[in-house]
Amino acid sequence: NAGVTQTPKFQVLKTGQSMTLQCAQDMNHEYMSWYRQDPGMGLRLIHYSVGAGITDQGEVPNGYNVSRSTTEDFPLRLLSAAPSQTSVYFCASSYSRSSGRINEQFFGPGTRLTVL
Amino acid sequence: GEDVEQSLFLSVREGDSSVINCTYTDSSSTYLYWYKQEPGAGLQLLTYIFSNMDMKQDQRLTVLLNKKDKHLSLRIADTQTGDSAIYFCAEKESGGYQKVTFGTGTKLQVIP
Repeated sequence: NAGVTQTPKFQVLKTGQSMTLQCAQDMNHEYMSWYRQDPGMGLRLIHYSVGAGITDQGEVPNGYNVSRSTTEDFPLRLLSAAPSQTSVYFCASSYSRSSGRINEQFFGPGTRLTVL
Repeated sequence: GEDVEQSLFLSVREGDSSVINCTYTDSSSTYLYWYKQEPGAGLQLLTYIFSNMDMKQDQRLTVLLNKKDKHLSLRIADTQTGDSAIYFCAEKESGGYQKVTFGTGTKLQVIP
């Protein structure tokens, strides 16, 4: 299994540009999430999905959109990039609660985004 | 809402024990976790503890949970340079999506 993959690894955008961060998992996990990591602020949840066709907002959703058309993929779209969105973005996936597992989250390697 | 707090930095000498502390606010948490993030990588689960346990030991790692004070700690015995990383405490709320809330992370520096 490849686990959770993210592309690209690095990206530089100009203010106002749009782009999509890709995330895929091959573990048949129902839950997928997007986080951003900023110094001294830990991980903050942007959006999450509990299954294909179902998404919801997390703690910091403004400026981002998501969709979940398949179990495997969970792309994150930046609609009009702003310097405040400069961050490291992590995608994560986990089993559903009905599996009886401990809900360990499996993280991708991250995308480092700079908005000028 | 839930809040998970950690000190930002800890420095120890190789061979000493490291203790990383965490406080949380959600008394209904079902699981508490410690994740490790090495430079340039994503987080990986290090260990976890059920909320009805007080202690869990796993080789060099000891997790202590004080539910009354909502305090969680991670002790690493015989700390090695390979333990240098950022350590995140996290709690899973009960019910619904069972969202996991992460702390700010503690950067552990191991001095040879």
